[in-house]
Amino acid sequence: QVQLQQPGAELVKPGAPVKLSCKASGYTFTSYWMNWVKQRPGRGLEWIGRIDPSDSETHYNQKFKDKATLTVDKSSSTAYIQLSSLTSEDSAVYYCAREGNRYFDYWGQGTTLTVSS
Amino acid sequence: EIVLTQSPALMAASPGEKVTITCSVSSSISSSNLHWYQQKSETSPKPWIYGTSNLASGVPVRFSGSGSGTSYSLTISSMEAEDAATYYCQQWSSYPRTFGGGTKLEIK
Repeated sequence: QVQLQQPGAELVKPGAPVKLSCKASGYTFTSYWMNWVKQRPGRGLEWIGRIDPSDSETHYNQKFKDKATLTVDKSSSTAYIQLSSLTSEDSAVYYCAREGNRYFDYWGQGTTLTVSS
Repeated sequence: EIVLTQSPALMAASPGEKVTITCSVSSSISSSNLHWYQQKSETSPKPWIYGTSNLASGVPVRFSGSGSGTSYSLTISSMEAEDAATYYCQQWSSYPRTFGGGTKLEIK
């Protein structure tokens, strides 16, 4: 069965970068785009961007263009999102979501990122 | 950017009651590009209805979706306790992909 495994939580200091992971299993990793979605408490869902694991082509939400970098490691079927220069505004749950037939058909459990000194 | 506006933001329904949630889209989109997700507390969103009216796997048939152009809706024919959740509409028509603000549905 399709699974997207994400660490439950990360605690990072302000100003530092962080790299969050999403390990895929149960399907051919390179056959589906992977997306990342941000959710802050009470703030709804924001799409960050997507990456094609087969060739690392990316599309970003302009709002996150200078904040997020999407990458993949095909050898381990893992997608990553790196977030730079963290502030309290980056504290949120970050989900990876597989792109199925033009919608998000599988979601990871989400990583809760806390930016605090 | 296409903006999706959901209404109401919060509502409560009694068991057996019919529920309708609407999603207004700022620019006309193809119905194939409008989707709904269900999210319960502390869990990740689940695909619920895709392409306006297609139920995702495991979704009860009391749910339905309809709409076209700039106006879409999700309907529950008869509210059950397990339907209490937040529902989000989402468009796939253009970048950036955007979501509605969510409708929190509670059971009375």
